[in-house]
Order: sequence, then C-alpha cells, then structure tokens
Amino acid sequence: GPKVLQIPSHQIIDMGQMVTLNCDPVSNHLYFYWYKQILGQQMEFLVNFYNGKVMEKSKLFKDQFSVERPDGSYFTLKIQPTALEDSAVYFCASSRQGSQNTLYFGAGTRLSVL
Amino acid sequence: GQQVQQSPASLVLQEGENAELQCNFSSTATRLQWFYQHPGGRLVSLFYNPSGTKHTGRLTSTTVTNERRSSLHISSSQTTDSGTYFCANTNTGKLTFGDGTVLTVKP
Repeated sequence: GPKVLQIPSHQIIDMGQMVTLNCDPVSNHLYFYWYKQILGQQMEFLVNFYNGKVMEKSKLFKDQFSVERPDGSYFTLKIQPTALEDSAVYFCASSRQGSQNTLYFGAGTRLSVL
Repeated sequence: GQQVQQSPASLVLQEGENAELQCNFSSTATRLQWFYQHPGGRLVSLFYNPSGTKHTGRLTSTTVTNERRSSLHISSSQTTDSGTYFCANTNTGKLTFGDGTVLTVKP
C-alpha cells in the first residue's frame, strides 16, 4: 500500500541545537500531519498542514516548532532550539483528502535530545 | 514485524445501537492504543490500554494480553461517532496501526 517515508529513523542531538525531521508523504496526498509520542505514553497530535498552511495545531506544538513543505518536497518538522522534553518519536502522516480519508503513517523518527 | 488486524473493516449502525470493534495483534501488547480519526483527518487517542478494561463515557476498551486481542465497545452510538477507529500496537518504540474500522452511524 501507500507508504510514508521518514528520514532519518533516529536522530541524536544536543540540547539547544536545531533539528529537522523529514517526511516523504504519499505522492498524491494533500494533507500532512505530525504526531509525537513520548516513550511509554500515548501518541499525541501536533499539527496538520494543507495547501502550504498550518490548519490546526495542538498545545504541544510549541513556538520552537515549525513545519513546511517547500515546492512539493519533503514535509518537514523543524525544532529550534531543541529541549530535553522534545525527546520522543515523531510520526508523520499524510492523507489524500482531509475528510473521510485514511491517514497513512510513517514509521517514525526517534529524536533523542541530550 | 508487528502485525495488527482489525475487524470489521466497516460497520453501519442506526443511532442508538451498540458497536463492537476487534483488534488482533501478533505480539505482546506493550503499547496498545485505540484511536479515533475524525472525518477531517485528525487522529485522537481514545485509550492507552495494554491490558485490562478501561472506560470513558460510552466507550469501553478491553485488552486480553495473552490472547493478543483488544476490543472497543461503543454503547448507544450517535451520529457523531461516525469516523474511522484505529487500533495500534508496538513492542518497540514505534506504533503499528491496523487498517481501521470505518463506522457510520445513521440517524
């Protein structure tokens, strides 16, 4: 089936540095999402993105977070600067349409902030 | 790798009826979760339930770990319950989702 690819699978970074998580969504999908899962906890919604804009974001989507998808390339999540509490697995997802469409999730990027 | 299977694939109910959704997984449910996907696409976590029974409102989740199955029961369904319900599990750090059950509740 359709696949969402996330690169890298694991990222280790020092606190205070910037990190960019990359997502290659399904090719004909128009809606993109990031989810965060701290080890041992539930997966939490961060943000969704459509037509170059953030449509909805949660309180977990801090000011240090930003998303973009320049010119149909990777859908990215940037964290600048990173904090210890940002350590988590970040899942990207995409869907063809926003309504009544299945979200296809990537395998996640494990971010470790030291 | 981890496999998660959900049934039924779709379910149509009249408002007021109960729904029973099933999830079977291939390895120990160390992080079994049920999610609801809004028609708008947003995924909401319903239960984090690696074992036992949990309730919230009209929803009940029961996970039987050694049988590698979990169920989601919706009582007195409402039209606003319509959407897709996902079960997801992992025994590592990454969730594997089932294909979902599309629930349609008719007025």
